[in-house]
Amino acid sequence: KQEVTQIPAALSVPEGENLVLNCSFTDSAIYNLQWFRQDPGKGLTSLLLIQSSQREQTSGRLNASLDKSSGRSTLYIAASQPGDSATYLCAVRPSRGSTLGRLYFGRGTQLTVWP
Amino acid sequence: DVKVTQSSRYLVKRTGEKVFLECVQDMDHENMFWYRQDPGLGLRLIYFSYDVKMKEKGDIPEGYSVSREKKERFSLILESASTNQTSMYLCASSLFGGRARDTQYFGPGTRLTVL
Repeated sequence: KQEVTQIPAALSVPEGENLVLNCSFTDSAIYNLQWFRQDPGKGLTSLLLIQSSQREQTSGRLNASLDKSSGRSTLYIAASQPGDSATYLCAVRPSRGSTLGRLYFGRGTQLTVWP
Repeated sequence: DVKVTQSSRYLVKRTGEKVFLECVQDMDHENMFWYRQDPGLGLRLIYFSYDVKMKEKGDIPEGYSVSREKKERFSLILESASTNQTSMYLCASSLFGGRARDTQYFGPGTRLTVL
């Protein structure tokens, strides 16, 4: 069974810092890996999706990388802002065992960016 | 834009009551999912469905059932609510099979409290 781990569980940084969130997964047979953002009491919003054949994806100040063979992904946030404060979740979609598109989630990294 | 709506944002029920949580999506997605989210445990899959009247157990189906009579609607049923079912419930949908770049779309969540 796929297991997804995120480190650190929580992170508190001053505004303007560049930061890295880490995600690791146990089975490299994945279809894609996604990073989601969740604001308190809200649903999840997809930030970046990296297909298994890709190495990275970028959206604005966010950059996500994927090393499938080592089972790792990182989410890089440049020039962090207080509005980036949220929980960031990593999820993988296995490429075997199921064609139904279920995702396996990490427990998330709770990010606080203070002014 | 894909829209996934959930019938209630907040719900308070008594122990032993039968509880219905409704989820509707407007993008003709085949797959629909119910998760619960608890502090420290992350998102856990309860049930999912890949077609009308079809359902599959997720990781924690005990105490829950589901119904999918129409493609756009997926209901989660707590036959006899208990206090340990107090949680945030999230619904999601996605295309069946899909492409490597397809993602799950989430609703805003229902915060259920069982007294």
